[in-house]
Amino acid sequence: GAGVSQSPSNKVTEKGKDVELRCDPISGHTALYWYRQSLGQGLEFLIYFQGNSAPDKSGLPSDRFSAERTGGSVSTLTIQRTQQEDSAVYLCASSRTGTSGSRGPNEQFFGPGTRLTVL
Amino acid sequence: DQQVKQNSPSLSVQEGRISILNCDYTNSMFDYFLWYKKYPAEGPTFLISISSIKDKNEDGRFTVFLNKSAKHLSLHIVPSQPGDSAVYFCAASPGSSNTGKLIFGQGTTLQVKP
Repeated sequence: GAGVSQSPSNKVTEKGKDVELRCDPISGHTALYWYRQSLGQGLEFLIYFQGNSAPDKSGLPSDRFSAERTGGSVSTLTIQRTQQEDSAVYLCASSRTGTSGSRGPNEQFFGPGTRLTVL
Repeated sequence: DQQVKQNSPSLSVQEGRISILNCDYTNSMFDYFLWYKKYPAEGPTFLISISSIKDKNEDGRFTVFLNKSAKHLSLHIVPSQPGDSAVYFCAASPGSSNTGKLIFGQGTTLQVKP
């Protein structure tokens, strides 16, 4: 079946503008994650959705960042008033469930990412 | 505060030889460790994992070793193949968390020369 898809693949914006990044998870996956990878850094956790539970927003770097997941499927990450330090690759991942089982965390399947450049 | 560290940004090995990628962590509460592989313009893909109650897990050419006392794990690839050239990320699962979120290292770029 189809994997995780993200759009756009590249986004160039001017400082101060708002951007929306989209993620389509694998059908049937109840857990969805957003990460970002800044230049030379590892993947940084941003936010996590699991079913109808309240999202784990502990990784969002500022209140300019928000995300929603409509209907338990598609998710949108919104960055308001973008800054140059927001430039990064934003990666979305989904898994069958979010919780860790006896065999460890459920495998996360990643999309190709959106490369955001803030000028 | 970097809880998962990969101190070698790059590694180059000859085809057929062993590749050893290293990872250190600081949080003794991590209960699972994972390795992901990433090709350019693609998302990371899961490679292999290990529970904190084990010290070794093997899958084909890939073996992960865990040394809890040293808070260190390593990924061995033998024999290395040119197709293994990619960025390898070490990740840890916080045991106290039920969200399944992962904490990643900075990545090590592996180049396998033919």
